Amino acid sequence: EAGVTQSPTHLIKTRGQQVTLRCSPISGHTSVYWYQQALGLGLQFLLWYDEGEERNRGNFPPRFSGRQFPNYSSELNVNALELEDSALYLCASSLGDRAGIEKLFFGSGTQLSVL
Amino acid sequence: DQQVKQNSPSLSVQEGRISILNCDYTNSMFDYFLWYKKYPAEGPTFLISISSIKDKNEDGRFTVFLNKSAKHLSLHIVPSQPGDSAVYFCAASAAGGTSYGKLTFGQGTILTVHP
Repeated sequence: EAGVTQSPTHLIKTRGQQVTLRCSPISGHTSVYWYQQALGLGLQFLLWYDEGEERNRGNFPPRFSGRQFPNYSSELNVNALELEDSALYLCASSLGDRAGIEKLFFGSGTQLSVL
Repeated sequence: DQQVKQNSPSLSVQEGRISILNCDYTNSMFDYFLWYKKYPAEGPTFLISISSIKDKNEDGRFTVFLNKSAKHLSLHIVPSQPGDSAVYFCAASAAGGTSYGKLTFGQGTILTVHP
């Protein structure tokens, strides 16, 4: 069974640009989560989508946005990139039936560098 | 505000000995706790979890202890194996409200198990 897949694996952008990251969940999973891991920090919660709806978002500015498609895949968009957006962006999926207490299955992440 | 803290950035242990990884939290609303481990270039994988109604949960070589009064949890690995060398993250969740579906992670502890 395929795991959570993310693309691209690495990305280099310059300040002010926009970026789109993609995530395909495990088959049968309806919930998709996005986390940011900046260097030396733990994972910071960004967004949670379930059944196509945004269910919760973390303390990030509105230039971080996303969506979930009918096939449950998801995109994370970041506008007006800043240097501090350089981080590993991790996507995770779950069955979505016990939010917060079910185990998440993570992809390998997209490493974003903003120059 | 770091609500989940792993105060030891790294831990080195001899193969066969016990590894004890510690985690402290400040938010008394947290009622479910999880441990994830992460190998380089891979996403975190779920290890073990514990509900706040319990004080211990065991799964093979891994045991998690929860001390609610001290707001402290620990992960014990016995016996430690070289393949356990990874970054270990503790995470916490709270039911409902703005925390719904959100995991709050610690900064991680790098465990190295020497043969």
